[in-house]
Amino acid sequence: DAGVTQSPTHLIKTRGQQVTLRCSPKSGHDTVSWYQQALGQGPQFIFQYYEEEERQRGNFPDRFSGHQFPNYSSELNVNALLLGDSALYLCASSLGPGGEQYFGPGTRLTVT
Amino acid sequence: DQQVKQNSPSLSVQEGRISILNCDYTNSMFDYFLWYKKYPAEGPTFLISISSIKDKNEDGRFTVFLNKSAKHLSLHIVPSQPGDSAVYFCAASPHRGGSYIPTFGRGTSLIVHP
Repeated sequence: DAGVTQSPTHLIKTRGQQVTLRCSPKSGHDTVSWYQQALGQGPQFIFQYYEEEERQRGNFPDRFSGHQFPNYSSELNVNALLLGDSALYLCASSLGPGGEQYFGPGTRLTVT
Repeated sequence: DQQVKQNSPSLSVQEGRISILNCDYTNSMFDYFLWYKKYPAEGPTFLISISSIKDKNEDGRFTVFLNKSAKHLSLHIVPSQPGDSAVYFCAASPHRGGSYIPTFGRGTSLIVHP
């Protein structure tokens, strides 16, 4: 039973560029949530997707956007990258928005 | 403003002894509390949870205690093992009937010495 997978594992971008991160949920899960974990901090909620729609959003600017596909996989897009966007980006999947969340290993984004 | 606080960045314990990790919260709407464990290069994994209708929940070596009046919870690990060495995150969520979005603390790094 495949768990939550994320790609890429690491990437390095330059300020002002755009980035797309990908997440495949655990088998049987239909909801995907994205979190940003800055160094020395806990994961901070970005948004949650269910039924291909953004259901809830945390305190993040519009530069952060996402998408969920019919197969429940999801993308996180960040435009106009800032140095402060450097962080570990975690994807979590669940069965429904109220289900227990299972986390992927994360994508480490470095903005230079 | 941190709604979930873990004031001890790190904790060092001898193998076989008890590890106690503490967490405080400020939001009265939180009524479901969780602990996650995170190893390097892995995502957080769920460890144990407690609902606000309880004050204690046990699962093997792990016990979580909730003091609602003090808005405080703690995780006890007995006996501690070297494999328990990891970062532990406390998280809290409002009633999970609709959606479930945990707010995380900054984590406590536990080191268990052989």
